[in-house]
Amino acid sequence: DIQMTQSPSSLSASVGDRVTITCRASQNINTYLNWYQQKPGKAPGLLIYAASSLQSGVPSRFSGSGSGTDFTLTISSLQPEDFATYFCHRSHSTPHTFGQGTKLEIK
Amino acid sequence: EVQLVESGGGLVQPGGSLRLSCAASGFSFSYYWMTWVRQAPGKGLEWVANINQDGSAKYYLDSVKGRFTISRDNAVNSLYLQMSSLRAEDTAMYYCAREANSGGWYYDYWGQGTLVTVSS
Repeated sequence: DIQMTQSPSSLSASVGDRVTITCRASQNINTYLNWYQQKPGKAPGLLIYAASSLQSGVPSRFSGSGSGTDFTLTISSLQPEDFATYFCHRSHSTPHTFGQGTKLEIK
Repeated sequence: EVQLVESGGGLVQPGGSLRLSCAASGFSFSYYWMTWVRQAPGKGLEWVANINQDGSAKYYLDSVKGRFTISRDNAVNSLYLQMSSLRAEDTAMYYCAREANSGGWYYDYWGQGTLVTVSS
């Protein structure tokens, strides 16, 4: 099975900071990589699909890049509502797998 | 408005069974693959199973094969997960999600989840 490794597992940052989260696949997954945001007690929500496509309604401060095995999620200027947990995800073949998550906390 | 509403969770003893439901509305349910994802308390997300549009193709996480069955009824816009031989490690919030495809598969809508607790 293809494993997804996210880093860091947690991150402290301030409002206005630029933040980058990385995700590495154990095999080439082309651009079949998605990112989700989850806030406490809520279901996850889609941010980015196909590595770099912004889901409708998601603010443009979120962006994704990468292909093959290495991917990044960037938040250009953190807003208070962005403090949450972020998961990468691949689903081109089963089993679909998620990264272990990155918890973004207020510094 | 797309809505997915799960139900059927609860407390069950190890070895017991439970059937989860996901009621879909606001979109053409029969056009979409659907999936179940779970999240153990304080842990990450784990894909459980998915099913194609007419129910002819089903895929499962290895650890639930033979114990869980995914199904759907397009006539009533509903997705199901029949769970049997439940174990403590199946304790989790279970989410249903709609799968979309544009340059790759992804889950564009999620339900609010239903909690399954396996404990004696």
